[in-house]
Amino acid sequence: EIVMTQSPATLSASPGERVTLSCRASQSISSNLAWYQQKPGQAPTLLIYAAGKTAIGVPARFSGSGSGTEFTLTISSLQSEDFAIYYCQQFNSWPQSFGQGTRLEI
Amino acid sequence: QVQLVESGGGVVQPGRSLTLSCAASGFTFTTHGMHWVRQAPGKGLEWVAVISYDGNNKYYGDSVKGRFTISRDYSKNTLLLQMTRLRREDTAVYFCAKDGQPRNDYGCEIDHWGQGTLVTVSS
Repeated sequence: EIVMTQSPATLSASPGERVTLSCRASQSISSNLAWYQQKPGQAPTLLIYAAGKTAIGVPARFSGSGSGTEFTLTISSLQSEDFAIYYCQQFNSWPQSFGQGTRLEI
Repeated sequence: QVQLVESGGGVVQPGRSLTLSCAASGFTFTTHGMHWVRQAPGKGLEWVAVISYDGNNKYYGDSVKGRFTISRDYSKNTLLLQMTRLRREDTAVYFCAKDGQPRNDYGCEIDHWGQGTLVTVSS
């Protein structure tokens, strides 16, 4: 099983800041990675797929990059609604797996 | 619009069985793989199982392999998860979710999720 490791576990930031979240795979997953956002009491929503493609309806301030084992999610200018938990997920091989999440807080 | 509505959750004793259902609408059910993903209280997401768009391929997470069975009913546009030999650590919200790409054989992102159904395993 591929282990996904996210860092940091918690990130404190302020509105307007630029932040970068990291995700590392225990072995190469090419670009087979997605990022999700989850707010309290809600289901996750898709932000980024194929490592760098923005999902429909996702604001342009969200971007993803990376390939192989190292990936990043960048939010260019934080808005109040962006404070949530972010998960990466690999779909390169079975079983699929998620990172443990990064909590983005004020 | 895509709708995924889970049902069947509840309180069950350890060692017993439970079946979850997910009613799907708003997309072509026959062309998309379907997943179950769970989230224990206060914890992160754990991928549980997937069934391919044609029902021919099924994969499971290590923690549920041999105990859970995923299936789909095309006549009712419904996804199922049969859970047997339940353990306390299976306590979680179970989300139904769909593949983002049609007719995908190799795995892809999840583009829609249901709101989840809570399963509590307790004596």
